[in-house]
Amino acid sequence: TQLLEQSPQFLSIQEGENLTVYCNSSSVFSSLQWYRQEPGEGPVLLVTVVTGGEVKKLKRLTFQFGDARKDSSLHITAAQPGDTGLYLCAGGVGGSQGNLIFGKGTKLSVKP
Amino acid sequence: SQTIHQWPATLVQPVGSPLSLECTVEGTSNPNLYWYRQAAGRGLQLLFYSVGIGQISSEVPQNLSASRPQDRQFILSSKKLLLSDSGFYLCAWSVRLAGEQFFGPGTRLTVL
Repeated sequence: TQLLEQSPQFLSIQEGENLTVYCNSSSVFSSLQWYRQEPGEGPVLLVTVVTGGEVKKLKRLTFQFGDARKDSSLHITAAQPGDTGLYLCAGGVGGSQGNLIFGKGTKLSVKP
Repeated sequence: SQTIHQWPATLVQPVGSPLSLECTVEGTSNPNLYWYRQAAGRGLQLLFYSVGIGQISSEVPQNLSASRPQDRQFILSSKKLLLSDSGFYLCAWSVRLAGEQFFGPGTRLTVL
């Protein structure tokens, strides 16, 4: 069974701080996605990474896919209250079979 | 552009009553469709997915069933709700099974 472990489960920080959240697995994924979910809403796709070692930036958010395609990290610089939410990573195994494997998420709270 | 609709947004039902949640997608053809349940703002539990009309795969044995009567319509049902069916239900679509998923706004179900 493929699993994605996310850490930390909860993170509470002050506005302006930097943070990194992690998504780890013992399995290799063909792609990895990050989603953000706000309370009472559906998750929204932030980014997809497909190449080992790939780094993508989305404003203050930096996403990295591990060289072995087993892990990923999300770094937020100068966090803002609007970054508050549940961050979910999801791994795809590729091909015509299988579905996304979702982690349990990191719940981020950024206080003003 | 593609959009996904879910209704109702919230639902309060007594134990033992039936359930019908509906999801429709616009702007795409032959999407893969998914039903997830999310408890307490945490990870997503995949309930059902469908690769085409009338084709339903169940991930977790339970009190629920799903149907896909039309290409872009996905319905989640129950004949008799249990207290444990309470949760946040999300519908999603994708082009590929292990590809990026796009979520609806969700239905908050409370069974009393």
